[in-house]
Amino acid sequence: AQKVTQVQTEISVVEKEDVTLDCVYETRDTTYYLFWYKQPPSGELVFLIRRNSFDEQNEISGRYSWNFQKSTSSFNFTITASQVVDSAVYFCAPRDNTGTASKLTFGTGTRLQVTL
Amino acid sequence: GAVVSQHPSWVICKSGTSVKIECRSLDFQATTMFWYRQFPKQSLMLMATSNEGSKATYEQGVEKDKFLINHASLTLSTLTVTSAHPEDSSFYICSATSDRGHEQYFGPGTRLTVT
Repeated sequence: AQKVTQVQTEISVVEKEDVTLDCVYETRDTTYYLFWYKQPPSGELVFLIRRNSFDEQNEISGRYSWNFQKSTSSFNFTITASQVVDSAVYFCAPRDNTGTASKLTFGTGTRLQVTL
Repeated sequence: GAVVSQHPSWVICKSGTSVKIECRSLDFQATTMFWYRQFPKQSLMLMATSNEGSKATYEQGVEKDKFLINHASLTLSTLTVTSAHPEDSSFYICSATSDRGHEQYFGPGTRLTVT
C-alpha cells in the first residue's frame, strides 16, 4: 500500500517566481513508480512525469524539474519562472510496480495560484 | 498519444434516477480501466478497477450495487450511478491502461449534479 503527503495545501506566487511543491511518500515496495499530474480548472488531468524508483537522476523538462530522493522518500517538483498558466492543482501519486494495472494513490494535491 | 473520452461531460439528474457515464479509449485497447470520484477541492479517490470481461474490483467503502461498472469491451467501460442522491454529486473521472504502457490515461471527467 502506498501513502503520500503533500504538505502544502495552497501556494500563491507572483509570476516569474520559482516554486517548489513537496511530495513525501510511504511504501513497503522495493520498486515502484512515482507520478506527478496537473489538474487545471477544466478538471482534466495532465500527465507530467513518471519516475521509476531505480532511477534517482533528477530530471528537467523546460521550466519543470523534479528532485527524487529515495533516501528521504521525497519527490519534489519545481517550476522555474512560473507563469499564470501554471495555476492548477498538482498531484503527486505513487504506484507500485506489480504491473500496469496497479493502482495510483493520489496525494491531497497542492493548489498553485500564479498571479501577475 | 493515447486518448480517453468520457460522455457526458456533465449531467444533471433528479434524485432517485440512474445515470450512466461512458469511458472510451479511442486509439488503444484498454485492458484495465479505473473509476475515480473527486469532490470539490479534494483529491481523486479510486472507486473501482475493472478489467475487460470480468467483474470490477471495488475499493473499500464503495457500494457495488449503487455504482455499477461494466467493462464489456477493450475500448468501453461504463459507470452507472443507480438511485442517485444529492450526495452522489461529484466529478467522476475514468482512466485506462493498455498492457504495454505504464501510464494511466485519464478522461476529461464527468460532472454529475443530483437535484
